[in-house]
Amino acid sequence: KQEVTQIPAALSVPEGENLVLNCSFTDSAIYNLQWFRQDPGKGLTSLLLIQSSQREQTSGRLNASLDKSSGRSTLYIAASQPGDSATYLCAVKNNAGNMLTFGGGTRLMVKP
Amino acid sequence: KAGVTQTPRYLIKTRGQQVTLSCSPISGHRSVSWYQQTPGQGLQFLFEYFSETQRNKGNFPGRFSGRQFSNSRSEMNVSTLELGDSALYLCASSLGHGSGMNTEAFFGQGTRLTVV
Repeated sequence: KQEVTQIPAALSVPEGENLVLNCSFTDSAIYNLQWFRQDPGKGLTSLLLIQSSQREQTSGRLNASLDKSSGRSTLYIAASQPGDSATYLCAVKNNAGNMLTFGGGTRLMVKP
Repeated sequence: KAGVTQTPRYLIKTRGQQVTLSCSPISGHRSVSWYQQTPGQGLQFLFEYFSETQRNKGNFPGRFSGRQFSNSRSEMNVSTLELGDSALYLCASSLGHGSGMNTEAFFGQGTRLTVV
């Protein structure tokens, strides 16, 4: 059974810092990995999708990497801003169905 | 382009009642998945529908059921509500079903269900 862990559970940084969020998974036989952002009481916003054959994806100030063999992914946020404050979730897809297994999330606060 | 639409946004129900939640996927998307989010358990997969057929099911009791219509809209039903069913129910829409890029999941704003 796939298990996804995100460390740290919470993170507080001053504005302008570069930061890294971590995601690890136990079963490396994944199809893809997706990073999401969730604001309080809201739905999930898709940030990046990495296919199992890819090593990284970039979108603006965000860069996600994937090391499937070691069961790890990182989300790098450059020059953080207060608007980046949210919970960040990673999720993996293990089979041809669209079921996602989620980590517990990292709650990020960026202080002005 | 309209996103994933979930209705209603908020619901308050009494124990023992039943409830139906609705999800309209992004136009052209044929896969709809449902998730339950609670503070204690996080996000847990309920089921996935693709082309009107249930393709995957999570580890939830039979009180939780769903269906998908020919226009890809989906409904989930919870019967005999329990206090523990209070949660944010999220629906995800994907273009396809399989291993390609067309399986990227896009989520709605969710339905907040409170059981009293």
